[in-house]
Amino acid sequence: SQQGEEDPQALSIQEGENATMNCSYKTSINNLQWYRQNSGRGLVHLILIRSNEREKHSGRLRVTLDTSKKSSSLLITASRAADTASYFCAPYHTGRRALTFGSGTRLQVQP
Amino acid sequence: NAGVTQTPKFRVLKTGQSMTLLCAQDMNHEYMYWYRQDPGMGLRLIHYSVGEGTTAKGEVPDGYNVSRLKKQNFLLGLESAAPSQTSVYFCASSYGLAAQETQYFGPGTRLLVL
Repeated sequence: SQQGEEDPQALSIQEGENATMNCSYKTSINNLQWYRQNSGRGLVHLILIRSNEREKHSGRLRVTLDTSKKSSSLLITASRAADTASYFCAPYHTGRRALTFGSGTRLQVQP
Repeated sequence: NAGVTQTPKFRVLKTGQSMTLLCAQDMNHEYMYWYRQDPGMGLRLIHYSVGEGTTAKGEVPDGYNVSRLKKQNFLLGLESAAPSQTSVYFCASSYGLAAQETQYFGPGTRLLVL
């Protein structure tokens, strides 16, 4: 399978806590993207990390990439109720023309 | 700038009926995609297009056809709808190859096939 697999499938935390989601993939990649999907909506791009990068930040988001372990993590710091959504990773494999998505991590942030 | 829009938002079909889903983007993107998302699952790629007049199959193309006659529009057709095609359909577009570019998604079309 070319898609990433997110872990855990579901995560429930309190507002203000940090949330960490993981993504594993099976073949070498050029880059990896993370997307968010609010209930009933389309996906929204969060961040792209290239294979030669180890860490990237965007606001309260921190993404890491470990190509030796074929894994990535998304950390959301100081979570808010508005962060409640499903989060998907999309690894890009050389030669592919489109992204593929796993089942995602469903994050619930309790106010 | 509306981004990516989809028509209709919701539709109910009977088995065997046909319909066309319309996707439009106003960002002058070359690449366009159609995905389906079933409950509790991720998105699966149906068909995609790398430019006007071109289309290609994705992971789950059976039962669907597409056309890209104009750069800004990407149509998804169901010739003979089946209950297994009940799903939420998302269109997306990107300026360049999606793998290296941000994909912009539409709001989705909910399709129920009875």
